[in-house]
Amino acid sequence: DAKTTQPPSMDCAEGRAANLPCNHSTISGNEYVYWYRQIHSQGPQYIIHGLKNNETNEMASLIITEDRKSSTLILPHATLRDTAVYYCIVRVALGATNKLIFGTGTLLAVQP
Amino acid sequence: SAVISQKPSRDICQRGTSLTIQCQVDSQVTMMFWYRQQPGQSLTLIATANQGSEATYESGFVIDKFPISRPNLTFSTLTVSNMSPEDSSIYLCSVGKTGVHDKIFGPGTRLTVL
Repeated sequence: DAKTTQPPSMDCAEGRAANLPCNHSTISGNEYVYWYRQIHSQGPQYIIHGLKNNETNEMASLIITEDRKSSTLILPHATLRDTAVYYCIVRVALGATNKLIFGTGTLLAVQP
Repeated sequence: SAVISQKPSRDICQRGTSLTIQCQVDSQVTMMFWYRQQPGQSLTLIATANQGSEATYESGFVIDKFPISRPNLTFSTLTVSNMSPEDSSIYLCSVGKTGVHDKIFGPGTRLTVL
């Protein structure tokens, strides 16, 4: 699986968009970008994933650059409850049997 | 999506003892995974629990220290054996289902070893 690089921490004002970057310069053509988050004292939670195209769901948007070497997770209107560690993971498509390997993630602190 | 429960939610144990953590899923799942999260750290995969066969362990983890059972498609246990303070961590169970991209995680078991 390709290695990812994320900033260790970021701040965001409540109500503003939070843009979390992830570098994955060695990504292969068949590898997806997955984002999970872990709110304090809870298990990780799936947010979104994508291959080439930008993706949006009820939680967030995922912007993947054309060369696929980096991506950005966007929380359009951050709330205090979005304070969490966000993990960017690159791997071939997750099936039931595929394990998930976590990096160090970005601690997003949403400020009131 | 699946709902996972873990027992116990937390425990405080003495050095040299063992603790068995249970993971129960409300539906049948193909694979179950066990993770460890040491204080202030990211999650580290311990092993994949295979139904009907031995678990597959990641580098740095061995069966004698972390024996795993998977008697059916909805249940697994992880035992932390001969515990030391370095085993103080949150232990999380995770599951995957065929045709589903994301993984579901349990609430975790917070273990403190004195």
